[in-house]
Amino acid sequence: QSALTQPASVSGSPGQWITISCTGTSSDIGAFNFVSWYQQQSGKVPKLLIYDVNKRPSGVSNRFSGSKSGNTASLTISGLQAEDEADYHCSSYTIRSTLVFGGGTKLAVL
Amino acid sequence: EVQLVESGGDLVQPGGSLRLSCAASGFTFSTYWMSWVRQAPGKGLEWVANIKPDGGEQYYIDSVKGRFTISRDNAKNSMYLQMNSLRAEDTAVYYCARDARGRVDDYWGQGTLVTVSS
Repeated sequence: QSALTQPASVSGSPGQWITISCTGTSSDIGAFNFVSWYQQQSGKVPKLLIYDVNKRPSGVSNRFSGSKSGNTASLTISGLQAEDEADYHCSSYTIRSTLVFGGGTKLAVL
Repeated sequence: EVQLVESGGDLVQPGGSLRLSCAASGFTFSTYWMSWVRQAPGKGLEWVANIKPDGGEQYYIDSVKGRFTISRDNAKNSMYLQMNSLRAEDTAVYYCARDARGRVDDYWGQGTLVTVSS
C-alpha cells in the first residue's frame, strides 16, 4: 500500500497556471475514476477541490481542474492567486477497497 | 449543518492504547461510510480505516491491521478508533471524515492529536 507520488513542491507567479502530478499504479489510479484532490491551507482542515478525476464540488472555482491519463492524475490551477498558496493532496480508491493519499505538494505563489 | 467532533487524543507511551471518538451531527449518520485519516507533523495525509454504514465491513491500511479497530454506534451517531500497541510512527492528528463513493468527502472534523512517546 504505497502512497501516491506527488512532487514535494511547485511554484508559480500570480496569473500563471501550474500543474501538480499524482502518480499511482494500475491498482489505484489506473483502475478507477475515483481520484480526488484536496487543498489544505496552513493549520486548517483539508478542503475537497476535485472528485471523480475532474468534477468540482459546488463553490469551488473553475480555475481548478483535474485530469487523468493511465496511472497518473493531474491537478491544474489557472490564473494563480496568492490565496492558492497551500498544500495539495491527491487521493485514489484502490482495488483492495481502501483509499490512498499522495505525499502532498506545497504550492508557493511567488 | 454537518458536524464531526473528534475526542480522545492524548500523550501515550509506546505499546500503550487509546480510544478515539467521533461524534457526528447534521446528517443521517447511519447511511454513510466513515473514515479515519491521520496526518503526522509536517507530513501528508494518510487514510487509516473506514467502516460501512451498518458496521459490517471495515478496511484498514496495512500498517495498522491487527492493532487498530474501527467501530461505530449508529444509535449514538458515533464512530470510534481503538488503537493498541501504539508506536512512535502513529503520532499524528487523527481526523474523522465522512465518505462518499470512492473518496473521503468534504466533511472533516477538526482533528485530535495523538502523541506516542516515552
